[in-house]
Amino acid sequence: GAVVSQHPSRVICKSGTSVKIECRSLDFQATTMFWYRQFPKQSLMLMATSNEGSKATYEQGVEKDKFLINHASLTLSTLTVTSAHPEDSSFYICSAMPQGNRANYGYTFGSGTRLTVV
Amino acid sequence: QKEVEQNSGPLSVPEGAIASLNCTYSDRGSQSFFWYRQYSGKSPELIMSIYSNGDKEDGRFTAQLNKASQYVSLLIRDSQPSDSATYLCAVRGSNYKLTFGKGTLLTVNP
Repeated sequence: GAVVSQHPSRVICKSGTSVKIECRSLDFQATTMFWYRQFPKQSLMLMATSNEGSKATYEQGVEKDKFLINHASLTLSTLTVTSAHPEDSSFYICSAMPQGNRANYGYTFGSGTRLTVV
Repeated sequence: QKEVEQNSGPLSVPEGAIASLNCTYSDRGSQSFFWYRQYSGKSPELIMSIYSNGDKEDGRFTAQLNKASQYVSLLIRDSQPSDSATYLCAVRGSNYKLTFGKGTLLTVNP
């Protein structure tokens, strides 16, 4: 159980275009999902917390107008990188927090999306 | 600023040995603690969770937590080459967010 599906796994886009990344919890409901970014040889940096039915909460320094998050259902959150630039190239990973006490057993991560902006 | 510190390594052990990974955290209000394994180019995979002081064992893995010292560790017994990866310590605070350490790169030599 606790499977999180993330798509696409890899995307290459031109500078100035937008890219949408989907994160789905397949066998559980997740009122809260998290979006991370990881640069090479660095740890995961939390970008934002996605809450079903409400606005996302962004970490300090993350541009909310550039990284649009939508959490329209209990099983789906999307991250849209708008007007992408080469410096946005990174590994984007989502994770989902199970409801209730299951959260004590850890959060499951999606497989990640490797974004390359050319 | 909530911080999670890990020895960056790399840590190199021979096959069959015990690998010891350490982590300290700054937020005394932290609730739960996790160890994730991350292979190069892949997303993190949860291998252990612990939230009570003491030891927790799962197969070849043992997590140890000492809240008074704000210290959590992971022992890997009978290390295998397939254990070679970056190990991330993560701490969950009262806001349910995970804060990650920078990770320790472990290499198990055949």
